[in-house]
Order: sequence, then structure tokens, then C-alpha cells
Amino acid sequence: TQLLEQSPQFLSIQEGENLTVYCNSSSVFSSLQWYRQEPGEGPVLLVTVVTGGEVKKLKRLTFQFGDARKDSSLHITAAQPGDTGLYLCAGVRTGNQFYFGTGTSLTVIP
Amino acid sequence: GAGVSQSPSNKVTEKGKDVELRCDPISGHTALYWYRQSLGQGLEFLIYFQGNSAPDKSGLPSDRFSAERTGGSVSTLTIQRTQQEDSAVYLCATRTGFNLPLHFGNGTRLTVT
Repeated sequence: TQLLEQSPQFLSIQEGENLTVYCNSSSVFSSLQWYRQEPGEGPVLLVTVVTGGEVKKLKRLTFQFGDARKDSSLHITAAQPGDTGLYLCAGVRTGNQFYFGTGTSLTVIP
Repeated sequence: GAGVSQSPSNKVTEKGKDVELRCDPISGHTALYWYRQSLGQGLEFLIYFQGNSAPDKSGLPSDRFSAERTGGSVSTLTIQRTQQEDSAVYLCATRTGFNLPLHFGNGTRLTVT
């Protein structure tokens, strides 16, 4: 049973388009992290959000943590081929346990 | 400095054989996690080590799976009597402290034929 559900599972878009990935749960987390994974490599951290309602921007990426700290979203503006990869959200509880989402595979077509 | 190192990067084994997967953490990282990832999917938690504390084994799928961490450094994940459903990428991750991000190795791709 996955604590965190991501949608969509697969996304294929043209370069320059915008997109949003959702990460939803019925559980509360102390913080939430987003990772990106490329083929043959391990996931790499993009951002950590801690406060309910928090919004963080990383260049063309905007991350939001829900007010109730149960969900999060990742918005990419003007997607580029270099954004291609598997995006994973991870909810953190008690500081020890990381619960990973089901993943969103993004392909940006040049 | 060096990142998390996992070996082998690929392992093909016959059903019923035992396999050992190794993880060399970043120096000074006290917490170590093992995850399993099926093709293009999310990560399934297996086991967590924190310093000298008893490991959290709650994610191990069966008693064929075991792991140890010697001297608070290198960790080995052992799968006995492998089955085809064990085929996956096994990822190791470490971190320095609470609420800090995980640093992942590149994983071991295990194929059971």
C-alpha cells in the first residue's frame, strides 16, 4: 500500500509547455521532498518543503506544500528536454522514515 | 568527496541462488536505507540502519531478505533462494541526520532468470 499517490503516472509533452505533477496522501507529513531520477542513476533531491502552504521556486520549477501537509505539487514552466526523468515525492514522518510516491515519468520532446 | 557506492551495478542470477548486494556509504553518514524499485516505479522501503541502534526491518518482504551493517559503515543486503519476483533495482541511500535529504547510490539491477 502506497501512502503517497502521484499523478499523472506518465506525461509526454512538447518542449516549451507547462505541466503540473501532483503528490497526494491522507497522511500528514513533517516535511516533503521532491527527487528527480534519471535512467541508471539514483534519485537526486530537488527541494524540501516543511511548512504547510509553503511555496518554493527553483528556476522554472515551483513546489507547493499543502496547507494540511498532506499533499504537494510540482509545476514546471516552459519544460525543456533536460527536465526528462522520473519525479518522485517523498513524505517524511518522525525524521526517520521516508515514504516515496508512485513516481511520475516525464518525457519532454524537443 | 565520493558519493554512495553500490556494487555490483548489475547482477544476473539463477532462480534459487543467493545474492549479496553491497553499499559503501558516504563517510560520516550515520543513517543508511535500502529500497527496492521496480521498472520506472516508486521506491519500496526495505530496511533502515541508524548508528548502533537496532535496524528497522519492517519493510523486508520475506525472511529470505536480510541485511547487516558492519562497523556503522558498509552494508550488505542478502537475498536467499532468489525468485523471479525479486528482479528489480536495489537502491542504497544514506544521510547525516534527521530531516536531511537522502543521498542515493546508482543501484544494483538484479535479474533473476
